[in-house]
Amino acid sequence: GAVVSQHPSWVICKSGTSVKIECRSLDFQATTMFWYRQFPKQSLMLMATSNEGSKATYEQGVEKDKFLINHASLTLSTLTVTSAHPEDSSFYICSARGTGHSNYGYTFGSGTRLTVV
Amino acid sequence: SQKIEQNSEALNIQEGKTATLTCNYTNYSPAYLQWYRQDPGRGPVFLLLIRENEKEKRKERLKVTFDTTLKQSLFHITASQPADSATYLCALTNNNNDMRFGAGTRLTVKP
Repeated sequence: GAVVSQHPSWVICKSGTSVKIECRSLDFQATTMFWYRQFPKQSLMLMATSNEGSKATYEQGVEKDKFLINHASLTLSTLTVTSAHPEDSSFYICSARGTGHSNYGYTFGSGTRLTVV
Repeated sequence: SQKIEQNSEALNIQEGKTATLTCNYTNYSPAYLQWYRQDPGRGPVFLLLIRENEKEKRKERLKVTFDTTLKQSLFHITASQPADSATYLCALTNNNNDMRFGAGTRLTVKP
């Protein structure tokens, strides 16, 4: 089945530094990947839609200069949290769906727990 | 505004019983609806997808119904087991592939 690998699974960084999170589709090509953020006991909130070879589409209220998304290939999308602050601490999850997977939903990565100190 | 509501934040049931979770939506025209399972600290795992023209879908002990008139989906787990304890999320996707999640219901199955 479709597998999405997300790395790292957790990261602690100092306030003001940048953190990059990678999301890879291992056995399928994903022209579109999605980035979500989830706070404790809350649902997943879509941050942006990442399209291979073009600019990401950000949801309202999400700062595109702070959350940089790059989708340079059909199997890799990256999210960089720039100048991180404690309020950026959250659980970040990516997802993708390959072509031909229309009956199988979306495949999610295992998530990245970001803690900014 | 668009809303996706899952009936309760938490649901506790006894092992062997059927768990029924509800997902209601307003101001939304979903092309299909999905149910996911999420364990603590993990990403969601896809369970079932049901399209707007389908009434019911089954997979092993899982059953999903979709009533576009009531704007509601029911998710059933029969013969529940403690291993079924997790948070279950419903997600709606429209024709633009815009997918939104409900807040989830945390199910606890007690032995």
